[in-house]
Parts: sequence; structure tokens; C-alpha cells
Amino acid sequence: NAGVMQNPRHLVRRRGQEARLRCSPMKGHSHVYWYRQLPEEGLKFMVYLQKENIIDESGMPKERFSAEFPKEGPSILRIQQVVRGDSAAYFCASSPRKADTGELFFGEGSRLTVL
Amino acid sequence: SQQGEEDPQALSIQEGENATMNCSYKTSINNLQWYRQNSGRGLVHLILIRSNEREKHSGRLRVTLDTSKKSSSLLITASRAADTASYFCALNFGNEKLTFGTGTRLTIIP
Repeated sequence: NAGVMQNPRHLVRRRGQEARLRCSPMKGHSHVYWYRQLPEEGLKFMVYLQKENIIDESGMPKERFSAEFPKEGPSILRIQQVVRGDSAAYFCASSPRKADTGELFFGEGSRLTVL
Repeated sequence: SQQGEEDPQALSIQEGENATMNCSYKTSINNLQWYRQNSGRGLVHLILIRSNEREKHSGRLRVTLDTSKKSSSLLITASRAADTASYFCALNFGNEKLTFGTGTRLTIIP
């Protein structure tokens, strides 16, 4: 039973380009979460999705960031026109149920570097 | 802020000693979870304690929760070099997400 799969593990983009990060949740998990971690800091919540629905996007910047979790395929976190401040590790987590009842299973993260 | 505050920020101990880290928060919680993160890796769930529980054990881990003081502690007994990692508390307030603390960086000296 494969864990949460994230790709790419490392991504380098120049300012103004787009970054697209993918997350395949664990089999049977319908809840997906995206978190951002800056160096030497904790994780900051970005967005919580279920299949085809954004449930809570209160942590997403208002511009340039979007997320989706289509009926088929992985969840995608998309960052348009990246800036240096977007450089961070982006973690995806999944769960078979809501976080108020259980643990989250994390992927290894995607590390974005903006030049 | 609903974020948990962890104390200490960093801790270095000799192998075999016990390590204790604390998490304080300000708003009533539904449950509190502890996670470990090895350098450059994802987070791994360690233990979950619900608001109506006071203490839980898992192997060498012991977690306590004092809801009156709004604080929790994680004790790792008989530490090993492999316990070197960052440890985060994560708070659930009865909604769909977890709010992570600032973390404690634990170093075990062989």
C-alpha cells in the first residue's frame, strides 16, 4: 500500500514561471491537505480538498495560488508567476476521514526554489 | 493566533536520557497530535490524544494533556540517535484541519 506520493520532489523555477505540484493520496483516502513549510519553521495550512470540492482554502494566498482534486488523477497545487517568496517545501497529506477524528499521512514534500 | 507554541525550540541530550518537550495553546481543542519530521523528509504521526484524555503511551513515547492549563507534553524515554528530528504538536479545534506548532528540534548526542 503505497504512501502519499508527491512529485516532483524538487522543482526550480525562475521568477514569473508557473509551478505545478502533484499529490496522489493513499489508496482509499478522499481527504487531501496542502501545507507550506518555510526553512526552520512549522507547517502552515493552505487548503483542504475532497474529490472535486475545495472545502477550506482559508490559508491560500488570494492571488496566483490554486488547488484542485479532480475525480480522476492527483491533486494539483498550482502557483502562477512565482516569486522568490514562494520558495518553500510544500507538503501534501491525506486522510480517510476528517482531521478532527484522526491522523494525517504526509508525503515527502516538493521543494520549490525560485531563482 | 491558534497556533501551538512549543518549548524548548531546541534540545540536545545524551543518548539514553529522557527528552521532554511541551506544547501550549490558547483555544479549546478537540484533539492534539504529535508528529516527527526527520531532516528533509515528510511528517510522521506519533500519537493522538483527545480532549477528554489525560495521558497516552506508545512504546517509548508518553503524552500528557492538561486542558485546564492548555498544555501538552511529549516524553521520549531512553533516547536513541535515531530520535534526532523535529517534533511538532498539531491542534484540531473540531474542524477539518490541523494547525501545527513551531516545533522542537531534538538532537541526541551519541
